[in-house]
Amino acid sequence: GDSVTQTEGQVALSEEDFLTIHCNYSASGYPTLFWYVQYPGEGPQLLFRASRDKEKGSSRGFEATYDKGTTSFHLRKASVQESDSAVYYCALSDRGTGYQNFYFGKGTSLTVIP
Amino acid sequence: AQTIHQWPVAEIKAVGSPLSLGCTIKGKSSPNLYWYWQATGGTLQQLFYSITVGQVESVVQLNLSASRPKDDQFILSTEKLLLSHSGFYLCAWSLGVSQNTLYFGAGTRLSVL
Repeated sequence: GDSVTQTEGQVALSEEDFLTIHCNYSASGYPTLFWYVQYPGEGPQLLFRASRDKEKGSSRGFEATYDKGTTSFHLRKASVQESDSAVYYCALSDRGTGYQNFYFGKGTSLTVIP
Repeated sequence: AQTIHQWPVAEIKAVGSPLSLGCTIKGKSSPNLYWYWQATGGTLQQLFYSITVGQVESVVQLNLSASRPKDDQFILSTEKLLLSHSGFYLCAWSLGVSQNTLYFGAGTRLSVL
């Protein structure tokens, strides 16, 4: 079945550090990939998405490139701020399931120390 | 603009008591609707989804049930709560088409004691 793997469970960085959160996926079809961000006590909100190979998604300084060859969609930001502290989820939606189901990774908790 | 409203915001319930959580989506016709559950510090687990009124598909069994009585309403319920039901319940909607996105409500925090 479809799945998403996030390698990092928790990440702690200082302000202005470079961030990478690794995301790899497995899907039977040609999925749309997402990054969501969740702040404490709130529902996840979409950061950005990408739906085809080599497409780059970006928002608020975060970016990720859809790589079908390596089945990856790694999240990066050049310089993190304290306000970026949150939980980040990689997710996919697959054409093979009629885009009815969404699969989420386990989430990465980012703490940025001022 | 689309809005998604979940109720209640939080609940504290006793083991064995019934539960009903609700979700209403305004500004979007015939959306796909979803219930997700999140244990404290845990990932997002899809529980149910519905593509039309009266039809609900179960994704995982947690002694919960869901219903879609109206196009814009999704209800999650159980007759008997377990301790393991504690967590954060999220309602969400999508268009169910290519390149669609899942949009979440603010969630309901459930504590079962």
